[in-house]
Amino acid sequence: DQQVKQNSPSLSVQEGRISILNCDYTNSMFDYFLWYKKYPAEGPTFLISISSIKDKNEDGRFTVFLNKSAKHLSLHIVPSQPGDSAVYFCAASGGAGGTSYGKLTFGQGTILTVHP
Amino acid sequence: DGGITQSPKYLFRKEGQNVTLSCEQNLNHDAMYWYRQDPGQGLRLIYYSQIVNDFQKGDIAEGYSVSREKKESFPLTVTSAQKNPTAFYLCASKPIFSRSMDGYTFGSGTRLTVV
Repeated sequence: DQQVKQNSPSLSVQEGRISILNCDYTNSMFDYFLWYKKYPAEGPTFLISISSIKDKNEDGRFTVFLNKSAKHLSLHIVPSQPGDSAVYFCAASGGAGGTSYGKLTFGQGTILTVHP
Repeated sequence: DGGITQSPKYLFRKEGQNVTLSCEQNLNHDAMYWYRQDPGQGLRLIYYSQIVNDFQKGDIAEGYSVSREKKESFPLTVTSAQKNPTAFYLCASKPIFSRSMDGYTFGSGTRLTVV
């Protein structure tokens, strides 16, 4: 039962354009969402997060949007840079484990390639 | 610098052998976690511990065991009962009373290959 889904395995964009990565979830108890960036053979690094009481959070070139009614979140990267090329995971917490337990449920990841 | 250290980075194991992956943190975090990553899949939780001498099974605990004798250390043993142990293993930690998940910190991972 995949509670967090990233349906696009890969995304290719031109440098300077917008990258939009999507994520859907099924568990309505999730109350906190995060995006991580990951390079091969390394641990994920935190990018940006959003609480379920908000619908948007912005940090520099990165913006996360949350649509609770659609159970959908997206990460916008503007402008995209070649150094952004990596695997991006969305993750959610809450549900039976509760945010305080620190259990994260991850999507499958999307490989972003930004071409110069 | 504070962080999480996983060792070794690459590990080879023969079928039928147990192997232990190390995870040490100097962030003074209470909670620690073990995840497994397979190609084309997200990270899946194996075990977690919120306090010394206590740990809980995650979603895929079968074939694994852990211990938490010290706050800084949370080793994972992959036993011979684990049917498909070849994977990338990630350790993480966070302050237990942090409501925000932003304090979640990952190690750099261990690639385990069964030969």
